[in-house]
Order: sequence, then C-alpha cells, then structure tokens
Amino acid sequence: RKEVEQDPGPFNVPEGATVAFNCTYSNSASQSFFWYRQDCRKEPKLLMSVYSSGNEDGRFTAQLNRASQYISLLIRDSKLSDSATYLCVFGGSSNTGKLIFGQGTTLQVKP
Amino acid sequence: NAGVMQNPRHLVRRRGQEARLRCSPMKGHSHVYWYRQLPEEGLKFMVYLQKENIIDESGMPKERFSAEFPKEGPSILRIQQVVRGDSAAYFCASSPRGFGTEAFFGQGTRLTVV
Repeated sequence: RKEVEQDPGPFNVPEGATVAFNCTYSNSASQSFFWYRQDCRKEPKLLMSVYSSGNEDGRFTAQLNRASQYISLLIRDSKLSDSATYLCVFGGSSNTGKLIFGQGTTLQVKP
Repeated sequence: NAGVMQNPRHLVRRRGQEARLRCSPMKGHSHVYWYRQLPEEGLKFMVYLQKENIIDESGMPKERFSAEFPKEGPSILRIQQVVRGDSAAYFCASSPRGFGTEAFFGQGTRLTVV
C-alpha cells in the first residue's frame, strides 16, 4: 500500500460549487497533517494544518479521521482562483519526522 | 522577513558536470528539507537536515547526490556527474521546529541536463 493516496482528478466544478477531496495514509503513527496548494508546478504553499477536532479557515474546512486514516478538504463557494493542485502531507510518523507528500488532486473551477 | 531563498532559479548543466543548488532558510529556521519533482509527478522527499546534521537521507540516491547544512551559510544539494534523468525541479523547504511540523517552500531550482 502506498504511504499516501490521493485521487489525482481532475475535478472540474463550476464557480460556486462545493468540492471535497480525501487523502488516505498508511502509517497510523503519523502525527501531523497538512494541506498544501501548488499552482502550475510552482512552489507548494501551506494552505492549512489539519487537527483532530477539525478546523476551518474561511471557505476551507479540513478534517482528520484517525480511525479510517484519512484527511479531507472541503472547499465551499469555489472561486476561479481556487484552481490548483492540492497536496496532502503527513509528518512525524518516522523517528525523523520527515514530511511525505501525496501526488496531488487537481481542481479546475470553471466560470 | 524574507522567505526561503533558492538559487539559482534555473540551472543548465551538460551530462557529467556537477550541479550545486543552494537554499537559504527563513530567518530563525534551523530545519531544511529537500524535495525533487519530476515532470507530471509529485514531490519526492530526498533529505532532511538540521544545522550541521543530516536527520534523514532515506530519499537520497545512493550515488552522486549529497547534501549539507553548515553552521553558517545556506544548505547545499550537490549532484555530481549529472545525467538527463536528474532534470527536475528541486524544492527546498524550511521549518522553525522541524520533526513533522509545518514547512515553507522556496521557489525551487529547475535543473536541465543537456
């Protein structure tokens, strides 16, 4: 089983739609979880950390399900500017705490 | 507060030459990660360093690749005797606390081997 699995998409949605991505991880010892965003193969940018209690930042909501070993990202009221690749990231599962990236899910928001 | 600085942004090398990629972390950050991204692929972990220490190099190819993060100066990723397959974007990220906490990326170095 891969360390991290994401549906690559693309997800094509109209403006204003709500879209959700999931990402599963194989190592139950993972301690930290993040969503990053990458535009056109530029540098990844931290979108939000993911906590056990879930967290929300404006139109973005992130959830962690430890029992089923996945994290999710919900985007409400999609904007054209949300078009990007969304990367799930896990860390802290090894003795060294390296960050492991998923392959990314591509989102295209259409007018 | 400047972000993570990588240079050069673009690097062209002939097969067999050496490539040196530099990464200056954000101020106050003593943890650095290096990642490689091949065309149409995700980010692959290469190495995780703290000042003067290699914490995890499990993603580094066994030959030709090395990394360092000296007490003073930037972190360096060195690729000796480059081959066409080394052509990729190399990203560096720095973290204030490391060990699986949030990290912030530089703009990357695009290496092209001709």
